[in-house]
Amino acid sequence: NAGVTQTPKFRILKIGQSMTLQCAQDMNHNYMYWYRQDPGMGLKLIYYSVGAGITDKGEVPNGYNVSRSTTEDFPLRLELAAPSQTSVYFCASSRDRTGSNEQFFGPGTRLTVL
Amino acid sequence: AQKVTQAQTEISVVEKEDVTLDCVYETRDTTYYLFWYKQPPSGELVFLIRRNSFDEQNEISGRYSWNFQKSTSSFKFTITASQVVDSAVYFCALSEVNRDDKIIFGKGTRLHILP
Repeated sequence: NAGVTQTPKFRILKIGQSMTLQCAQDMNHNYMYWYRQDPGMGLKLIYYSVGAGITDKGEVPNGYNVSRSTTEDFPLRLELAAPSQTSVYFCASSRDRTGSNEQFFGPGTRLTVL
Repeated sequence: AQKVTQAQTEISVVEKEDVTLDCVYETRDTTYYLFWYKQPPSGELVFLIRRNSFDEQNEISGRYSWNFQKSTSSFKFTITASQVVDSAVYFCALSEVNRDDKIIFGKGTRLHILP
């Protein structure tokens, strides 16, 4: 099992550009999550999904969009990149509800917006 | 409100010393889960432990131990005989069962183990 994979590992964007951060898991997990981690801070939840076709906002959803067309994939879309979106983005998955199962994290995508 | 506080921003200890990382949480729910995650310099997040609110037994795993005290809303993490490889940022996190599966992370404690 590859676990949770994320691409790309690094990316530099110009203000106003768009991009999609890819996330895939091969553990057949129902729940998937996107977090951002700013320097010296903990993780903040952007969006999450409890199954294919179902997504919901987390703590900091503005400026992002997600979709979940399959169980395996949970891409995160930035439409108009802004410097405030410079961060490290982590995707995670869990088999079931967060509390009863650990979350498995991907290696992260480091995004810089200039 | 759901909240996790890790008051220690950064700690440095000499190798082989014991070190305790503090975590204090706030929740209105009676059913919740607490977690500790490790983030080494390589950047990935590694799950260490999960506790539910009904299990206050202390847990030991090798050099790691955890002390959960519901009365003081505290979930401490102790590393015994620390090693350089323990250098990392450690995050405490809270998930309330009735909160749509959202997990709230503390800001983390950066631990430096000096050789």
